[in-house]
Amino acid sequence: TQLLKQSPQFLSIQEGENLTVYCNSSSVFSSLQWYRQEPGEGPVLLVTVVTGGEVKKLKRLTFQFGDARKDSSLHITAAQPGDTGLYLCAGERGAQKLVFGQGTRLTINP
Amino acid sequence: DADVTQTPRNRITKTGKRIMLECSQTKGHDRMYWYRQDPGLGLRLIYYSFDVKDINKGEISDGYSVSRQAQAKFSLSLESAIPNQTALYFCATSAWGQPQHFGDGTRLSIL
Repeated sequence: TQLLKQSPQFLSIQEGENLTVYCNSSSVFSSLQWYRQEPGEGPVLLVTVVTGGEVKKLKRLTFQFGDARKDSSLHITAAQPGDTGLYLCAGERGAQKLVFGQGTRLTINP
Repeated sequence: DADVTQTPRNRITKTGKRIMLECSQTKGHDRMYWYRQDPGLGLRLIYYSFDVKDINKGEISDGYSVSRQAQAKFSLSLESAIPNQTALYFCATSAWGQPQHFGDGTRLSIL
């Protein structure tokens, strides 16, 4: 069973559109991380959210941690082709052990 | 130079062979991890080590073993490879309380 469910698994949109990726669980996490992965490379950390209700912004990307620390979302405003990639959420359950979602493969078409 | 180096980057082998994947790091981190990535499943933890004398099983350790030869080196072995171990394998490192840093992966195919 997948402890962290990401949706959608695939998303293809046009440049300039907005999008949201969701990461949901029935478990509480001490923190939640979002990674981006390019082909042939390992995941690279984008952000860590720790406090319930926390919102962090990274240029056009907005990350939110749910109040109960069970879910998170990634919102991209005015998507650009350079945003194309695999986005992974990962929840920490203590001792720095991460549980990953299935990933969302995002394609931004010019 | 990469902070977390995995070798080999690609490997094709046959069922029943013994395989070792190696990971070395120059970050000075005490914690090291091995994950496998399969399409539609994300990354799953195989083994992790918090220091040279500490080895712990992860979510999917069956069929795998590890060795922490030094603080900077952590290897993953498949004693008798089987086709469903075909996957992308990632090594990661971290310091206490800090995010994990990943290598660029080993693509392993078992025929």
